[in-house]
Amino acid sequence: DIQMTQSPSTLSASVGDRVTITCRASQSISSWLAWYQQKPGKAPNLLIYKASSLESGVPSRFSGSGSGTEFSLTISSLQPDDFATYYCQQYKTFPYTFGQGTKLEIK
Amino acid sequence: EVQLVESGGGLVQPGGSLRLSCAASGFDLSAYPMSWVRQAPGKGLEWVSAIVGSGGTTYSADSVKGRFTISRDNSKNTLHLQVNSLRAEDTAVYYCAKDSLNRFGGYFDYWGQGTLVTVSS
Repeated sequence: DIQMTQSPSTLSASVGDRVTITCRASQSISSWLAWYQQKPGKAPNLLIYKASSLESGVPSRFSGSGSGTEFSLTISSLQPDDFATYYCQQYKTFPYTFGQGTKLEIK
Repeated sequence: EVQLVESGGGLVQPGGSLRLSCAASGFDLSAYPMSWVRQAPGKGLEWVSAIVGSGGTTYSADSVKGRFTISRDNSKNTLHLQVNSLRAEDTAVYYCAKDSLNRFGGYFDYWGQGTLVTVSS
């Protein structure tokens, strides 16, 4: 199975900050990586697919990069609505696997 | 508008069974693979099982193989997950999710709101 490791597990930041979350795959997944945002009590919401493609309707302050085994999600200027938990997911092969999540908290 | 609505969760004793359902609307269910993803209380996301659009091919996580069965009834626009031999560690919110492509290998572009399964005596 492909293991996905996110860092950090928790991130404290302020409105307006630029933040980056990292996701590492245990083997190459090319660009078959998605990022999701999840708020408490809600289903995950797709932000980024194919490592760097922005899903329709997602604000442009979100961006993704990377390929192979190293990936990152960047939020250029945090907004109050962005405080949530973020997950990466590889969809190169079954079993699909998720990172453990990064909780973005208000500082 | 794509909508996925899960149902069938509840409280069940260890060793018991449930049948989860996901009603789909706003798209041609038969054209897309579908998955179940679960989330234990306070934990991360775990992919559980997937089924191709025609229903002929399925994949499941090792943690549920032999106990959970994914199926679909495209004529009724419904996805199912039969969960048997339930254990305490199966306690989770179960989400159905739509694949972005008309074959395996896509990301999940739509998710349902989830249905809670609680396994406890």
